[in-house]
Parts: sequence; C-alpha cells; structure tokens
Amino acid sequence: AQSVTQPDIHITVSEGASLELRCNYSYGATPYLFWYVQSPGQGLQLLLKYFSGDTLVQGIKGFEAEFKRSQSSFNLRKPSVHWSDAAEYFCAVGGGLTGGGNKLTFGTGTQLKVEL
Amino acid sequence: DTGVSQNPRHKITKRGQNVTFRCDPISEHNRLYWYRQTLGQGPEFLTYFQNEAQLEKSRLLSDRFSAERPKGSFSTLEIQRTEQGDSAMYLCASSLASGGAGANVLTFGAGSRLTVL
Repeated sequence: AQSVTQPDIHITVSEGASLELRCNYSYGATPYLFWYVQSPGQGLQLLLKYFSGDTLVQGIKGFEAEFKRSQSSFNLRKPSVHWSDAAEYFCAVGGGLTGGGNKLTFGTGTQLKVEL
Repeated sequence: DTGVSQNPRHKITKRGQNVTFRCDPISEHNRLYWYRQTLGQGPEFLTYFQNEAQLEKSRLLSDRFSAERPKGSFSTLEIQRTEQGDSAMYLCASSLASGGAGANVLTFGAGSRLTVL
C-alpha cells in the first residue's frame, strides 16, 4: 500500500530564509508525486508535481522539489520564504484507480509559520 | 473555468440527522473524487467517479455514506444518521482524463465543513 511520511509537523522560518519541507513515500512502482498547499479554511492548491524525467521540478510561487528515488524522498524547497507562504503543506503520492483515475495518498502535513 | 464549487461551506447538525453536500466540478472534467479531512490529518480518499459511474469506494465509506453523480456532472455526498465522528472537512476534487494515471491532476474545491453536535 502506498504511504507518505512528513516528519515535521511544524516548521518556523524567518521571512527571507530558505525552506525545505521533507517528504518520504512508499510506493511499489514509479511514483507520481505532488505537493499541495492549504490555507486556513481553504481547499488544496497544487504547487508542483513529478511524473517522470527531470528529477528537479519547478512549481508555482517559487517552489521546487527534487525526486530522489534512492532515498524515496520528494522534498520541497524555496530559496527565500515570504510571509504569505505561511500555510499547511501536504505531500501526496498518486496511483491508478480503476478506469485511470488518480488516487492521492497524503501525508499528515507540515504547518509552516513565517516570522517577520 | 470557475473551479470546483462545494456547498454548503459549513454545516452544523445534531447527531442522528442526515446531511447532504454538493460538488460542482470543473465543467469539462469527467472524473470526480471525494475526500475527508479531519483535524491535523491529510485528506483521505473516500470515493471516485468517472462520468456517472462510481468506480471505487474506500473502506472509510460506511453504509451510512452514499455518493451519486447522476448525470456525470455535479455530485452529492449524503451522510445518514450522522455521528460525532463524522465531523470533518469533506473535499471534492475533479480531473480530466488524459494520458496515464499520473497525468491526472486533481483540482480541489474549498470543502464543506461538517460539525456534528
């Protein structure tokens, strides 16, 4: 069964500092990996995704993530955090459903706080 | 493209009552998903439709839960005889079939928050 581990429940960084959020996955085949962000009371917004090819993927809002198969990791990074980045971040692994749908299995999330 | 719309956004009900949530997906999307998110957890898969056919259901979807997508457009999720443990955010997502499963990117709605007293 597929699973995702986000070891950091809370992270606090200063505005302008760099950020790395950790994600480890377990999946039997080539994984489809995603990072979503959720602001309070809101749904999930896709930041970036990895399907295949270049292991460094770029997303929206200046985020990037690197897929490392040997470490089963897909860590999210941003070189300089803005106060508006404060939110909860979810890593997810996707797999095929009957008919080709994409079932996402999410981690428990990392709550990011940004200090001004 | 007006995104995925969910109604109501908030619902407070008493234990034992029935509640229904509605999801309007992005119009050209043929796949629709329901997820449940409890406090401090990531969303958990409940069920999935391709057009009007319900193709998969999670074991989380007890017999008190029923989901429909009668014309392959909007969907409803009904919970009968609600229990306090049903309190959660119910998220709907939709996607367009294209290429392999991995190319299936889900767009989520803002969710419907249920509080059972």
